[in-house]
Amino acid sequence: EPEVTQTPSHQVTQMGQEVILRCVPISNHLYFYWYRQILGQKVEFLVSFYNNEISEKSEIFDDQFSVERPDGSNFTLKIRSTKLEDSAMYFCASSGVVDRAPYEQYFGPGTRLTVT
Amino acid sequence: GQNIDQPTEMTATEGAIVQINCTYQTSGFNGLFWYQQHAGEAPTFLSYNVLDGLEEKGRFSSFLSRSKGYSYLLLKELQMKDSASYLCAAPNYGGSQGNLIFGKGTKLSVKP
Repeated sequence: EPEVTQTPSHQVTQMGQEVILRCVPISNHLYFYWYRQILGQKVEFLVSFYNNEISEKSEIFDDQFSVERPDGSNFTLKIRSTKLEDSAMYFCASSGVVDRAPYEQYFGPGTRLTVT
Repeated sequence: GQNIDQPTEMTATEGAIVQINCTYQTSGFNGLFWYQQHAGEAPTFLSYNVLDGLEEKGRFSSFLSRSKGYSYLLLKELQMKDSASYLCAAPNYGGSQGNLIFGKGTKLSVKP
């Protein structure tokens, strides 16, 4: 069964450093998402991406964040200068099915980001 | 705005039935999702309701009442592996397709 994959599974970085989290969505999906979940809190939407551009972003997704789809398979989230409060589990998700909305989203296993 | 409420924790016995409730307030409505999340893992899709009524899928069923802004997830013949958090989620109405707003989740503990 196709699945969303994410790398790395765990990333430790120092405050102020840049990190790139990588995702490979399901191959025939069209919509891509990043969510985050701070330990013990709810899953929060960050950004959605469709047709090679951001379709929506939340208030969390400020200028420190960016997303890219550099080739036909990868979808990345970059945090330019990490802060302690960026420590969280970051989930990538993808969905397809053009003629029906909303779509069932498939989540990747997540990247646990720890900022020290 | 969007608001999704669900109980924080529930406990049930193996083999029993449990109902997890969710109430939502949304500026529009485009369906309601239930996801299961085991500790330290990703949410996995359980169900999606857009019409009123009960949708059954094996041991899990989900109910929706749009007029009451209410949904529940029903788990039958509970197994130990059902111990997890259950997340109620709704698409962000007015946003682009499918951005999900999640509730805080209900942590279900199944005891022998």
